[in-house]
Amino acid sequence: ETGVTQSPTHLIKTRGQQVTLRCSSQSGHNTVSWYQQALGQGPQFIFQYYREEENGRGNFPPRFSGLQFPNYSSELNVNALELDDSALYLCASSQGEEETQYFGPGTRLLVL
Amino acid sequence: SQQGEEDPQALSIQEGENATMNCSYKTSINNLQWYRQNSGRGLVHLILIRSNEREKHSGRLRVTLDTSKKSSSLLITASRAADTASYFCATDDLNAGKSTFGDGTTLTVKP
Repeated sequence: ETGVTQSPTHLIKTRGQQVTLRCSSQSGHNTVSWYQQALGQGPQFIFQYYREEENGRGNFPPRFSGLQFPNYSSELNVNALELDDSALYLCASSQGEEETQYFGPGTRLLVL
Repeated sequence: SQQGEEDPQALSIQEGENATMNCSYKTSINNLQWYRQNSGRGLVHLILIRSNEREKHSGRLRVTLDTSKKSSSLLITASRAADTASYFCATDDLNAGKSTFGDGTTLTVKP
């Protein structure tokens, strides 16, 4: 157990809907990163938040947005869902942006 | 495209044998990390090796890093059935606050 929790564990949405995924970071960690992992592939970096500010973004469209709260928990929002958004969404927390990341169990999203 | 590429894509060995997985990457890095993932669940951090280190050990794990060849290897000695999982390398880029993962090596250890 890493101390990083994510909710919900599974989610089914239809194309065009919006979704919010949540992540609670490990105690003492001020950095949260989000990743998308399609089946059979490695995780792809979406963005990172450090002390409530976005600190780096991967190659994802603006309909992927995020937020980090004062307690360093974080949300990932995806608007106008597409079928290709079906994936495992992982968040990882760390103390500082270059230190070891600890991953949560993930949220599996299915878009129909 | 992915920064890191693991090789082989799949590896099947008998319990007790050693398993070696390789990772190649393209750009300069701060450090490189290896993770394990069981059946599409969260990633478990195994080991971090910094760009100024050449080798690191943790229990049955041995990681090497060759920055001149932009490659790393993960050796698991005396493998166990419980080591069956996917293994990923991730590079932490110099100028970006992110980790870039390869597509992993799927290791199967037969009892």
